Amino acid sequence: AQSVTQLDSQVPVFEEAPVELRCNYSSSVSVYLFWYVQYPNQGLQLLLKYLSGSTLVKGINGFEAEFNKSQTSFHLRKPSVHISDTAEYFCAVSEGGSQGNLIFGKGTKLSVKP
Amino acid sequence: EAEVAQSPRYKITEKSQAVAFWCDPISGHATLYWYRQILGQGPELLVQFQDESVVDDSQLPKDRFSAERLKGVDSTLKIQPAELGDSAMYLCASSLGRRDTQYFGPGTRLTVL
Repeated sequence: AQSVTQLDSQVPVFEEAPVELRCNYSSSVSVYLFWYVQYPNQGLQLLLKYLSGSTLVKGINGFEAEFNKSQTSFHLRKPSVHISDTAEYFCAVSEGGSQGNLIFGKGTKLSVKP
Repeated sequence: EAEVAQSPRYKITEKSQAVAFWCDPISGHATLYWYRQILGQGPELLVQFQDESVVDDSQLPKDRFSAERLKGVDSTLKIQPAELGDSAMYLCASSLGRRDTQYFGPGTRLTVL
């Protein structure tokens, strides 16, 4: 069975500082990987996804993530965060070949302080 | 830009009452998902539809939850009777097909008193 572990439940950071949100997964088959962002009392918005090809994936709002198969990781990074990036971020995995049956991690709350 | 619509956005009910949530997917999306997100957790799939057919309801508590998508377009999720532990955000998502990217609606936040 697939599972996702988000290593940090909360990440506080100052504005304009870099940030990395960590995600590890376990699966016995090939996978697709996703990062979603959720603002308070809203649904989830897709930031980026890895399906195949280049392991460095660029998404919206200046975020990027790198797929590392040997370490089973898909960490999310942004070189300079803004106050507006304050939100909860979810890593998710699905079985390769399908973007259905998403398994989500428990989320990481990013708090950007002025 | 097309979006997934959900209503109501907020619902407060007393335990043992019946509640219903509605979802209108992006036009043309054949696959529809209902998720439950308990506070502090990630979303968990309750049920998946392909057109009007249920393709996965293995995590749906069928003794009290039901879901339908009669014409293969909009969908309703019902809870009867509601229990305190049902308090959560209920998210609807849709995709063109089962292999495609899911797009989420704003959710319905349910509070059971």
